[in-house]
Amino acid sequence: AQSVTQLGSHVSVSEGALVLLRCNYSSSVPPYLFWYVQYPNQGLQLLLKYTSAATLVKGINGFEAEFKKSETSFHLTKPSAHMSDAAEYFCAVSAGTASKLTFGTGTRLQVTL
Amino acid sequence: NAGVTQTPKFQVLKTGQSMTLQCAQDMNHEYMSWYRQDPGMGLRLIHYSVGAGITDQGEVPNGYNVSRSTTEDFPLRLLSAAPSQTSVYFCASSTTFRTSRSAGNEQFFGPGTRLTVL
Repeated sequence: AQSVTQLGSHVSVSEGALVLLRCNYSSSVPPYLFWYVQYPNQGLQLLLKYTSAATLVKGINGFEAEFKKSETSFHLTKPSAHMSDAAEYFCAVSAGTASKLTFGTGTRLQVTL
Repeated sequence: NAGVTQTPKFQVLKTGQSMTLQCAQDMNHEYMSWYRQDPGMGLRLIHYSVGAGITDQGEVPNGYNVSRSTTEDFPLRLLSAAPSQTSVYFCASSTTFRTSRSAGNEQFFGPGTRLTVL
C-alpha cells in the first residue's frame, strides 16, 4: 500500500519569494509521484510527475520537484511566487504498474503582495 | 477532444433520493475513477475501473455503485443519498500499463460535480 503526507495545510508567501511545498511518501514498490494543482472551482491539472527517468523534474509554470529516495520526499518548489500561483496543490503517488492514485490532503498556497 | 466531461455541475438532493453522476471521456482511456473531495481530506478514491465490464472498490465505496458498460462512460450512482455524501465529486481517466507499456500515466480530471444532500 502507498500513502502520501503533505506537511502544512496552508502556506503563505510573499510575491517573489520562494515557494516550498512538502510531500513525503510511503510505498512498498518503486513509486511514481505527481503534483497536481487545483484553481478555485476547477478540476485538477498535472504540474509535473516523477517516473524514474530523472530525480529533478521540471513542470509547468516554473515549478520543479526533486525525488529523494533516502528521504522519501518529493517537495515542490518555485524560485519566485506569482499571484497567479495561489491555488491548492496535491501530491499523489501510484505504485508499480497500477493506475490507482493515492492523494495527500493538499496544501493551500496563498500569495501576498 | 472534450477530455473528461461530468454532468451535472451542481445538484441538490434530499436525504433518501437517488441520482446518477455522469462521466464520459473521449480519449479511449482504459482506466477511469471516481473521487470525492472534502475539506482537509484531499481526494479519496470511491470506485475505479480498468476497462469495460471491470470495476473495483476504492477507499470509500459505501453508498455508491458504478458500472462500466463502455470504454467511454463511467457513471456513479447514489442509491439513497445521505448528508455525509455532500461533497465535490471528480471523475478521472488515464491510459494503463497494459496499453501504453509505461507506468505512472497522468490522470485527466473532469471539472467536478458539487453535490449537496439536505
